[in-house]
Amino acid sequence: DAGVIQSPRHEVTEMGQEVTLRCKPISGHNSLFWYRQTMMRGLELLIYFNNNVPIDDSGMPEDRFSAKMPNASFSTLKIQPSEPRDSAVYFCASHLSYSNQPQHFGDGTRLSIL
Amino acid sequence: GQQVMQIPQYQHVQEGEDFTTYCNSSTTLSNIQWYKQRPGGHPVFLIQLVKSGEVKKQKRLTFQFGEAKKNSSLHITATQTTDVGTYFCAGGFFSGSARQLTFGSGTQLTVLP
Repeated sequence: DAGVIQSPRHEVTEMGQEVTLRCKPISGHNSLFWYRQTMMRGLELLIYFNNNVPIDDSGMPEDRFSAKMPNASFSTLKIQPSEPRDSAVYFCASHLSYSNQPQHFGDGTRLSIL
Repeated sequence: GQQVMQIPQYQHVQEGEDFTTYCNSSTTLSNIQWYKQRPGGHPVFLIQLVKSGEVKKQKRLTFQFGEAKKNSSLHITATQTTDVGTYFCAGGFFSGSARQLTFGSGTQLTVLP
């Protein structure tokens, strides 16, 4: 079975540019999570969706960040405009929200903003 | 929001020594999950504990869930270089009708050959 698929794997761009990260969750999973990981702040939950609806976006750092989930098989995390402090590894994870199912993580997008 | 504290942040051990990482929550957890992230990789689910006082073993790894369901530990016996990575606990909470999972800050384990 295919796991969580993220693209791109690596992104290097200049500050001020728009960045779009993409995620395809595991088929049948009804919850999707976006995390950001840095050395300083560890693994931070940015936002999560349940049945394509955003449930908790309190971790989204500021208005420059936005996330959408137009259907059950696709989600995007957008940063506009990007800043050097946004450099991090961004993970997408999915799971079945019923009965304590574990989260399955994608390989992540390593983002560098110059 | 809910917080899960994890200590230590870093641990260096000689190969063959034991290792333990601890997680604590100020509120009762519905469950706790443990993940391992290899360097350059992504977190991978190891195990889940649900019952008060539960103990589970996976080869050299022993996982415990406290009686009050507010703390948990992961103990590795006789570490090997393949154990290198960051170990995360993730505590399950109910928020209204929704289940939430809050990750600890992780313990980065280095095993010296």
